[in-house]
Amino acid sequence: AQKVTQAQTEISVVEKEDVTLDCVYETRDTTYYLFWYKQPPSGELVFLIRRNSFDEQNEISGRYSWNFQKSTSSFNFTITASQVVDSAVYFCALSEVGSSNTGKLIFGQGTTLQVKP
Amino acid sequence: DGGITQSPKYLFRKEGQNVTLSCEQNLNHDAMYWYRQDPGQGLRLIYYSQIVNDFQKGDIAEGYSVSREKKESFPLTVTSAQKNPTAFYLCASSIVDSPGREQYFGPGTRLTVT
Repeated sequence: AQKVTQAQTEISVVEKEDVTLDCVYETRDTTYYLFWYKQPPSGELVFLIRRNSFDEQNEISGRYSWNFQKSTSSFNFTITASQVVDSAVYFCALSEVGSSNTGKLIFGQGTTLQVKP
Repeated sequence: DGGITQSPKYLFRKEGQNVTLSCEQNLNHDAMYWYRQDPGQGLRLIYYSQIVNDFQKGDIAEGYSVSREKKESFPLTVTSAQKNPTAFYLCASSIVDSPGREQYFGPGTRLTVT
């Protein structure tokens, strides 16, 4: 069965610290997609990144970087030099690509990140 | 601007009443989704629709109903049969043409039933 686990419920850091949010997934499919979303206090989920199962290259976007390792079924997210505006709930999600191709997302429980000034 | 609107932002109802949450999108997306979020939990899929006049149950459809009469609209009704309806409800949409498409989310409706 598909499952996404974000073991860190809450993380608190001081501004300018680096922080890594962990994501571990389970799937029997060979083709799948992984996502990270940010949910600020306003409530709306904001898409951050999508990675398909055949692309294990790490990605960097400004202060954000993602490390995808199929060997450990992990897709971790690192924020470098954190800022107060990074405070939010972050969700990791999995989408399998089967014959039905419904686009359904399986979400982890979310990690609440608090960045203190 | 293209996007998804959900109204109202906050909704209060008495127990035993049905309530309908609105979701409208002008992104020209074929697929639409409803999720429920409870404190400390991830999002759980209630219903989804990939085309007008067709929809499927998600993981927690009991006590909910939907309709998809127009491409732009996917209202969710929380019925009195839903045992624990107080939650944050999020609507999303996506294209259907390609695998692994990201979903775009609305601002959500926080429903409180007392």
